[in-house]
Parts: sequence; structure tokens; C-alpha cells
Amino acid sequence: KQEVTQIPAALSVPEGENLVLNCSFTDSAIYNLQWFRQDPGKGLTSLLLIQSSQREQTSGRLNASLDKSSGRSTLYIAASQPGDSATYLCAVSSPYNTDKLIFGTGTRLQVFP
Amino acid sequence: DAGVIQSPRHEVTEMGQEVTLRCKPISGHNSLFWYRQTMMRGLELLIYFNNNVPIDDSGMPEDRFSAKMPNASFSTLKIQPSEPRDSAVYFCASSSAGSYYEQYFGPGTRLTVT
Repeated sequence: KQEVTQIPAALSVPEGENLVLNCSFTDSAIYNLQWFRQDPGKGLTSLLLIQSSQREQTSGRLNASLDKSSGRSTLYIAASQPGDSATYLCAVSSPYNTDKLIFGTGTRLQVFP
Repeated sequence: DAGVIQSPRHEVTEMGQEVTLRCKPISGHNSLFWYRQTMMRGLELLIYFNNNVPIDDSGMPEDRFSAKMPNASFSTLKIQPSEPRDSAVYFCASSSAGSYYEQYFGPGTRLTVT
């Protein structure tokens, strides 16, 4: 059974720092991996999707990498800003059930001025 | 595209009442998902549909919960009768094979059962 873990559970950093959020999954047979952002009281916003054949994806200050063999993904946020404060969730899908996502418990990020 | 649309955004009801949550997926998406989020249990998948057909309802907590998708542009999640422990935020999401099943979430319905 696939399990997804995110470490740390919470992170507080000063503005301007580059930071890394970690996501681990137990079964390396994945179809894709998706990173989401959730602001308090809001829905989830898709940030990046990495297909199993890809190693990384970039969008603006965000870069997500995928290492299937070790069951890990990292989300790198460059030059963090207070507006980046949110909860970040990763989720994976299986090649045997491409529709269904298994979510991690999230990392709550606070970036202070 | 307007994204995934959910209504109502907030619902307050008394225990025992019927509650119906509504979702309109992104046009062209053929998979639709209902999730529930609470502080205690996090994000849980309740049920999902593919081409309007329920594929996996193993997350539906009890028979009090039911979901339908009568057409490609509309789905409902019904709770009858509602109980205080059903209080949560309910999200609808949709995806399509053409976008590698990337899921897009709606804003959610915050349900409070008193």
C-alpha cells in the first residue's frame, strides 16, 4: 500500500531564503507526482506535475524534482516571500490507477518579513 | 475556463437534515472526485467517477452518504441524515487523461452540522 510522507510538518523561515520541502513515497511504481498549495480556508491549487518519466519540473521560483528509485521528491522554492506562506502537499498516483491520488499530510510553511 | 465550481460555499444545518453539495467539473474533464478535509483526518477521498460512472466509493463513510453524476457537467454529494461529525470542508476536483490526470480542485463547501 502506497504511503506518502512529508517532512518537515511545519517550517518557519525569514523572507529571502531558499528552501526545500521533502516528499517520500513507499512504492516507487508511480504514474505521476503532483505538488499542491493550500491557503487557509481555500482549496488546493496545483503547482507542478511530474510524470514518472521526468526528473524535474519548473515554474517560476518553484522547482520540483523526482527520484523514483529512492521514492523521493523535493520542492525547491527560491527567494521565498511572505506570499509563499501556505500548506504544501504532494500526492502520487499509481500506473494501475492513474486517476487516484495518494496525498501526504503536508508541510505548513510560514515565511516572515 | 472558470475552473471547478462548487455550491454552496458554506452550509449550516441541523443534525438530521439532508444536505446536498453540488459540483461542476472543468469542461472536458472526464474524472471527478469528492474529498473531505478535517483537521483530525486530513484530506480523504470519498468517491470518484470516470465518464460519469462511479469507480471507487470505498472512502464513503456510511450509507448516509451518496453521490451521483447524472451527466458530464454535474455531480452531487448527499448526506442524509446529517450528523455533527460530518462537519468538514468538502472538495470536488476534476481531471482528464489529456492533461496526465492533473487534478484541479474547487474552492470547497464548508459544512457545519449543529
